[in-house]
Amino acid sequence: GESVGLHLPTLSVQEGDNSIINCAYSNSASDYFIWYKQESGKGPQFIIDIRSNMDKRQGQRVTVLLNKTVKHLSLQIAATQPGDSAVYFCAEKAVYNTDKLIFGTGTRLQVFP
Amino acid sequence: DTEVTQTPKHLVMGMTNKKSLKCEQHMGHRAMYWYKQKAKKPPELMFVYSYEKLSINESVPSRFSPECPNSSLLNLHLHALQPEDSALYLCASKLRTDLSYEQYFGPGTRLTVT
Repeated sequence: GESVGLHLPTLSVQEGDNSIINCAYSNSASDYFIWYKQESGKGPQFIIDIRSNMDKRQGQRVTVLLNKTVKHLSLQIAATQPGDSAVYFCAEKAVYNTDKLIFGTGTRLQVFP
Repeated sequence: DTEVTQTPKHLVMGMTNKKSLKCEQHMGHRAMYWYKQKAKKPPELMFVYSYEKLSINESVPSRFSPECPNSSLLNLHLHALQPEDSALYLCASKLRTDLSYEQYFGPGTRLTVT
């Protein structure tokens, strides 16, 4: 069978609170970033993306912030709901290949009532 | 049609079997991907097809053989797999332009090798 491996970082929030999921990237030349949500037993689902010429981008209940100075990306979810419980992955487009995304390790979001 | 479909949803195979995974999209996307995902890990890129030609092979063992019969279909042929190949296999697609990087994923095939 599979090994247990490392535990995913987990963020636990109460329903209705705001959630902030963080991601660091290493290549200062990276110019495109994307967030995916993966529910148990499903494939990753696109949430929001941002290009490096922007600092902030908003979607429905989600906001992505990009801080190029410290190479940091965050996903903010407003009024977190039980349906937001999932693993969230950030990814950056590879600088050397526009067809390739480099995924972060993921964060599990748990929403409790 | 705005989704990527994958069949089968689950597959159990022995180490001597030959099986295939299938992926289909009708969004007009011209780049298609195979990823492998182990539990609690991010997706790991295996292959990329761009305009039906293999453009990226991430040093995947030859027991995995991809095929892109046309712009809508992507197959992954499996032969002589090992138990450690058990994983979720994800297909994804992308609109092939220089300005589009967002990949759309299918639901995956859960593969168990016994």
